[in-house]
Amino acid sequence: DAKTTQPPSMDCAEGRAANLPCNHSTISGNEYVYWYRQIHSQGPQYIIHGLKNNETNEMASLIITEDRKSSTLILPHATLRDTAVYYCIVRLQGGSEKLVFGKGMKLTVNP
Amino acid sequence: GAVVSQHPSWVICKSGTSVKIECRSLDFQATTMFWYRQFPKQSLMLMATSNEGSKATYEQGVEKDKFLINHASLTLSTLTVTSAHPEDSSFYICSASRGTGGFGYGYTFGSGTRLTVV
Repeated sequence: DAKTTQPPSMDCAEGRAANLPCNHSTISGNEYVYWYRQIHSQGPQYIIHGLKNNETNEMASLIITEDRKSSTLILPHATLRDTAVYYCIVRLQGGSEKLVFGKGMKLTVNP
Repeated sequence: GAVVSQHPSWVICKSGTSVKIECRSLDFQATTMFWYRQFPKQSLMLMATSNEGSKATYEQGVEKDKFLINHASLTLSTLTVTSAHPEDSSFYICSASRGTGGFGYGYTFGSGTRLTVV
């Protein structure tokens, strides 16, 4: 079973920041938080991951609370192409660890 | 870098026939590959994990004799749906991992295969 909970959907206006929340209250100390997204009828795309520090890359920022029980993915300037299902996943780092998807959250960016 | 190619992107087959789906890591060696199935408006469901040169590990409820997985090389894994039936119609997605050694980007996914059994 997935170890994360996300709201089922969210809307955002184009050009505004999209803040996508995720709860992972049972995360263990050596589990990372990963974010993927899936645009309709495509394979999932990696976005970002982190352990306990905030992370930023060219796609997004990841803010992890100090107790690590929740996190927020931030898309700073959402575009129509960011419309997708976003998955927050916790897992151990390591190349043979399973990636278990929950239901995810549908983000719709409106013009 | 880290590109995974999956073929075919879509396939239509007759009930009772078998279909093979290929998953290739183009620019890295994939020690572990994963196969997922996704029904419409549902999340990805992990079917099995395959490691190069060994038998695949199937998730509970997935029939290993129906979904044959072969991971004969570090760049290729195949999923064969045997004696396909309409209920096997789904979106099948593979993902590949470089293995351990500090690779923290998770896994790279293929673009998926839409299987329709008629």
